[in-house]
Amino acid sequence: KAGVTQTPRYLIKTRGQQVTLSCSPISGHRSVSWYQQTPGQGLQFLFEYFSETQRNKGNFPGRFSGRQFSNSRSEMNVSTLELGDSALYLCASSLEGPSFGGTQYFGPGTRLLVL
Amino acid sequence: GESVGLHLPTLSVQEGDNSIINCAYSNSASDYFIWYKQESGKGPQFIIDIRSNMDKRQGQRVTVLLNKTVKHLSLQIAATQPGDSAVYFCAENMGGSYIPTFGRGTSLIVHP
Repeated sequence: KAGVTQTPRYLIKTRGQQVTLSCSPISGHRSVSWYQQTPGQGLQFLFEYFSETQRNKGNFPGRFSGRQFSNSRSEMNVSTLELGDSALYLCASSLEGPSFGGTQYFGPGTRLLVL
Repeated sequence: GESVGLHLPTLSVQEGDNSIINCAYSNSASDYFIWYKQESGKGPQFIIDIRSNMDKRQGQRVTVLLNKTVKHLSLQIAATQPGDSAVYFCAENMGGSYIPTFGRGTSLIVHP
């Protein structure tokens, strides 16, 4: 069974631009969660989608948004990029979601650098 | 490789030794805990989990211990191998809409 895939793997943007990251979950998984990982803050939960609905949301500004499609693929968007948005963005899929004790399978991440 | 964290606590061991990695969690109401391993350039990988109604759970070469009294979690790795070198971090979770919280991580370095 193929694992979680994320595209692109690396991205360089400038302040003020917007970016869209994509995540394809493991086949059959309906929950997709997004995380931001930085050296200073560690791994932080952004949001979770389940069956095309946002079910949980972390403490991030509205510039961070996401969506999930009917095939469970998910995208996250960051608008008006700031230098502090430079991070590794990780996507994780699971059958039921992180809040229900389901094992999450992480993708390799997208490394975003904002200049 | 990519760095997943700067100034992380580091544990250096010799190949074949047993390793113990500790984690203090924050929420006394958390009822589900997970240990992850993250190698350079990769996403976190599930190692083992434990629910709050247990105080010990064993897997293949790994054991997780949970002490709810002091809100402490530990991961024991037996006969540590060079391939175990990675950043390890714990996560705490509570059912419902609770947002999973991850620890900062410990870097394990295994010397051949």
